[in-house]
Amino acid sequence: DAGITQSPRYKITETGRQVTLMCHQTWSHSYMFWYRQDLGHGLRLIYYSAAADITDKGEVPDGYVVSRSKTENFPLTLESATRSQTSVYFCASTRLAAYNEQFFGPGTRLTVL
Amino acid sequence: AQKITQTQPGMFVQEKEAVTLDCTYDTSDPSYGLFWYKQPSSGEMIFLIYQGSYDQQNATEGRYSLNFQKARKSANLVISASQLGDSAMYFCAMREAPSYGQNFVFGPGTRLSVLP
Repeated sequence: DAGITQSPRYKITETGRQVTLMCHQTWSHSYMFWYRQDLGHGLRLIYYSAAADITDKGEVPDGYVVSRSKTENFPLTLESATRSQTSVYFCASTRLAAYNEQFFGPGTRLTVL
Repeated sequence: AQKITQTQPGMFVQEKEAVTLDCTYDTSDPSYGLFWYKQPSSGEMIFLIYQGSYDQQNATEGRYSLNFQKARKSANLVISASQLGDSAMYFCAMREAPSYGQNFVFGPGTRLSVLP
């Protein structure tokens, strides 16, 4: 089915471990985004990508790494997880024009112990 | 500085009544888009309505309408005939040209509770 998917949906890990959150979209949207959602902060942009092999930092990029070798995939890696990275992570995609809304994945709830 | 302000952390409305959720924004770019999203307790983000900066008329989508006052830089969401299923978080967002990627910002949200 067409859409945007994230995996895993839930993840528990320990401080210091590497974790990769996956995001896949089937629309061939040029733009993809990673957000984290925390109480009191709304959605904060971690990284975004304008196309394959083009990525850029958002508001809160520290501690995260992204890559985009294929248009449809945009994985987010926490190189050494910290408790402050406990959050709900949303992946989103959109086309280029200003009037195009973002489509969101279902979210990944990550807990770092 | 906050680009999107939603001053109502929480709102209550009686079922079948209308409710307005406030959103003000800050931009110096003449070309931008304004969006509202709904996030129910299940967690997904649902797109509701869009308003372009050059649109002459207020956007409407079913029970949702957007009260767009460009000079005041406000884009309030109006939900008519509230239903219990409207209880959710509502986020206002803005997308600015030309850097469409980074300049897609969200407000802190308003939690709406519809009372039976």
